[in-house]
Amino acid sequence: GQQLNQSPQSMFIQEGEDVSMNCTSSSIFNTWLWYKQDPGEGPVLLIALYKAGELTSNGRLTAQFGITRKDSFLNISASIPSDVGIYFCAGHQGIQGAQKLVFGQGTRLTINP
Amino acid sequence: ETGVTQTPRHLVMGMTNKKSLKCEQHLGHNAMYWYKQSAKKPLELMFVYNFKEQTENNSVPSRFSPECPNSSHLFLHLHTLQPEDSALYLCASSQGLQLYEQYFGPGTRLTVT
Repeated sequence: GQQLNQSPQSMFIQEGEDVSMNCTSSSIFNTWLWYKQDPGEGPVLLIALYKAGELTSNGRLTAQFGITRKDSFLNISASIPSDVGIYFCAGHQGIQGAQKLVFGQGTRLTINP
Repeated sequence: ETGVTQTPRHLVMGMTNKKSLKCEQHLGHNAMYWYKQSAKKPLELMFVYNFKEQTENNSVPSRFSPECPNSSHLFLHLHTLQPEDSALYLCASSQGLQLYEQYFGPGTRLTVT
């Protein structure tokens, strides 16, 4: 099935560094979502974006809905150890009556103290 | 913290056993989902229920049988599973109307021996 291209697949950074990751598609999406998953747990919703160009923050996290509606970006500022985990993007194409999301493969974030 | 609960959290079963996974959401949502998450693979959507009606079956083998008795509860009945069915099974819910944010439970870690 359709999949979002998420990059990078993994990141190894030092504590305190800023992090950037992105998600791209060949198709237009009307909704972009960013999730974080800790080991052995379910994904937790971080940010939801509903308008092209929208920039939304949640604490040290900032996400943007790309103006072309084919991409989205997530930034984490001043990373801390609890930011470790896998970050997933997800999108909805706005097809009326269809509830399913398309997910990226995930970005695994590792932080060296 | 999460409005979606799943039981059991861990399950080990033989290939001839029959077991069931349970999901309950306390968010007043109308859509519920089953996902399979295997190591190093993207999230795989299995089933979607919208207002108790199954609206998506993503070519899932018949050894997985979902049941949605009401909008708050979702079950996944398992029988004659294979070792490759070992994975984290995640339940999620969403409002089911124009908002597509899905909220996940903590998952059931299933091991088939």
